[in-house]
Amino acid sequence: AQSVTQLGSHVSVSEGALVLLRCNYSSSVPPYLFWYVQYPNQGLQLLLKYTSAATLVKGINGFEAEFKKSETSFHLTKPSAHMSDAAEYFCAVSEGTGGFKTIFGAGTRLFVKA
Amino acid sequence: DTGVSQDPRHKITKRGQNVTFRCDPISEHNRLYWYRQTLGQGPEFLTYFQNEAQLEKSRLLSDRFSAERPKGSFSTLEIQRTEQGDSAMYLCASGRVAGADTQYFGPGTRLTVL
Repeated sequence: AQSVTQLGSHVSVSEGALVLLRCNYSSSVPPYLFWYVQYPNQGLQLLLKYTSAATLVKGINGFEAEFKKSETSFHLTKPSAHMSDAAEYFCAVSEGTGGFKTIFGAGTRLFVKA
Repeated sequence: DTGVSQDPRHKITKRGQNVTFRCDPISEHNRLYWYRQTLGQGPEFLTYFQNEAQLEKSRLLSDRFSAERPKGSFSTLEIQRTEQGDSAMYLCASGRVAGADTQYFGPGTRLTVL
């Protein structure tokens, strides 16, 4: 069975500071991993995905994530936070290789202080 | 792509009433997913279609819930005899079989059961 754990339900950073959102996963098969962002009262938007190619994945809005199999982690980072980054972020895992079921973490709300 | 659309965006109903939500996926996406999201949680998988075939239903989906995708295009999710515990955001997503499990989400339908 697959699962996702996001460490920290809330993260607060100052504008211009490093953003680090943590995600650990569990999967019995090689996983596909995703980060989605959700703004208030909106659906989820894909930030980036890992599908067994390069372990460092670059996404939209300056975000990137690194797949570390030994640590079963897929942490999301951004070098310099912007006020517009304030949102809810979800890490997700799917079975890949044709599997369809995607499991989402509980989410991390990012606050950006001026 | 015009994106995934959902209708209505908001629904307020009284306990015991039936409600139906519609999802229009991105054209030519053969996969369609329904999720439920409650406050402070990530999306929970409800059901999945590949073309018109419903391939998986979560155990979260009680007998009061039914979903259809009659022609492999739009989908409907019906909840019969609504309960206050059904209050949530219902999200629809679509994707392609060859799309590495990437899902494109609609804006959601927020259901409030009084």
